[in-house]
Amino acid sequence: AQSVAQPEDQVNVAEGNPLTVKCTYSVSGNPYLFWYVQYPNRGLQFLLKYITGDNLVKGSYGFEAEFNKSQTSFHLKKPSALVSDSALYFCAVRVLDNYGQNFVFGPGTRLSVLP
Amino acid sequence: DGGITQSPKYLFRKEGQNVTLSCEQNLNHDAMYWYRQDPGQGLRLIYYSQIVNDFQKGDIAEGYSVSREKKESFPLTVTSAQKNPTAFYLCASSSPPGKTGKTEAFFGQGTRLTVV
Repeated sequence: AQSVAQPEDQVNVAEGNPLTVKCTYSVSGNPYLFWYVQYPNRGLQFLLKYITGDNLVKGSYGFEAEFNKSQTSFHLKKPSALVSDSALYFCAVRVLDNYGQNFVFGPGTRLSVLP
Repeated sequence: DGGITQSPKYLFRKEGQNVTLSCEQNLNHDAMYWYRQDPGQGLRLIYYSQIVNDFQKGDIAEGYSVSREKKESFPLTVTSAQKNPTAFYLCASSSPPGKTGKTEAFFGQGTRLTVV
C-alpha cells in the first residue's frame, strides 16, 4: 500500500532557528512528492514538490526540501524560522491507480515557532 | 484569478438531512477530488473524478455521493447514511498524469460541516 508518514505530531522551534519537518513515504515507482501548509480553517497551500532532478528543491516562503531515495524521505526545512510559519504541514505523494491519479497525505505535523 | 471555490464556508445539518457541498474550479483541470479532514487524521479521499461523467470511490465513500456533469463542477452530497459527518471538507483539482506543467493539487478553502 502506498502511504506517507510524518513521525512527529508537533514540532517546536525558536524563532530564528532552523526547522525540519520530517516525512517518509512508501510508493511503487518513482515518487512525486509534495509539501503543503494549512492555516486554521483554510485550505491547503502548495509549498514545493519533487518530481525529478536535483534532490534539493526550493519552494515558497523560503522553504526547501531534500529528497533522499535510499531513506525514502522528503524532509521539509527552513534555515531561519518565523513566528508566521506556525501552521499545520502536510506531506503528500501522488498515486497512480487503475482509474487515474490521486494524492495520499500524511497525518500532518503542527509547527509552532516560539518568539 | 484562477482557483477553486467551495461554498458554503460553514454548513449546519440536522440529523437525517442530506446536504450538498459545492466545488467549482476555473483552472481547466480534468481531475477533481474530495477529501475529508478530521483532527489528527490528515486528509482522507472520499471521491475523485478524472473526466466529466465519471468518478471513482475513494477510501471513505460510504454515506457520500458525487456528480460530475461539467468539467468545472464536482458537488459532494453528504447523505443521512453518513453517521458521523461533522468534519472539514476540502475540494481539490489537478492536471491529469502525463500533462506537463503543474502536477500538484490545488485546494479550495474548505467547508466546515456540523451536525446539530
